Amino acid sequence: NAGVMQNPRHLVRRRGQEARLRCSPMKGHSHVYWYRQLPEEGLKFMVYLQKENIIDESGMPKERFSAEFPKEGPSILRIQQVVRGDSAAYFCASSLRLAGGKDTQYFGPGTRLTVL
Amino acid sequence: DQQVKQNSPSLSVQEGRISILNCDYTNSMFDYFLWYKKYPAEGPTFLISISSIKDKNEDGRFTVFLNKSAKHLSLHIVPSQPGDSAVYFCAASAEGNKLVFGAGTILRVKS
Repeated sequence: NAGVMQNPRHLVRRRGQEARLRCSPMKGHSHVYWYRQLPEEGLKFMVYLQKENIIDESGMPKERFSAEFPKEGPSILRIQQVVRGDSAAYFCASSLRLAGGKDTQYFGPGTRLTVL
Repeated sequence: DQQVKQNSPSLSVQEGRISILNCDYTNSMFDYFLWYKKYPAEGPTFLISISSIKDKNEDGRFTVFLNKSAKHLSLHIVPSQPGDSAVYFCAASAEGNKLVFGAGTILRVKS
């Protein structure tokens, strides 16, 4: 399967715990994006990463959230000290980042985080 | 600040007829527009896209129209099939950066 992989698909955490969400991009893609979808809403951009670099984190909450895309291994979205409002579906997308801005992002199946 | 708007929360269409989903945007810097289809508990699936230098792009049953002067785009599905029932998201980007999504339109195709 050459698609975007995310794990876990479902994650349950108690308030105050940490959540780690993983994303492996499509083969050959070096650009990763994280989005969050709250209930009854569209997807909202969080962060854009290349290998070992954060390019745009304008959508990330200032506290408790961090993201990385190491040289080896998947991209990780980390949420520390989770609160109930963090409950959402988190989607990862990857792209080739073609020249000229014609950049189609392909999405993974998402991780559904539930905070009790 | 909703830069991409899908004003119809839902649409119901008879099988075999045309489905037309609409999207409006406010940011004139957007130069690439995409439509995604999403089933419950799955990730968005890319359907079709259009660059701002075009006004139409067609792929099988799916056609996207872009009216830059009106800052409006639409997705036409013809003929509609029951398997097309899903949530459809319009998205836009500027210079290949982050996607800005609309709130989605639920399409129901009745057989």
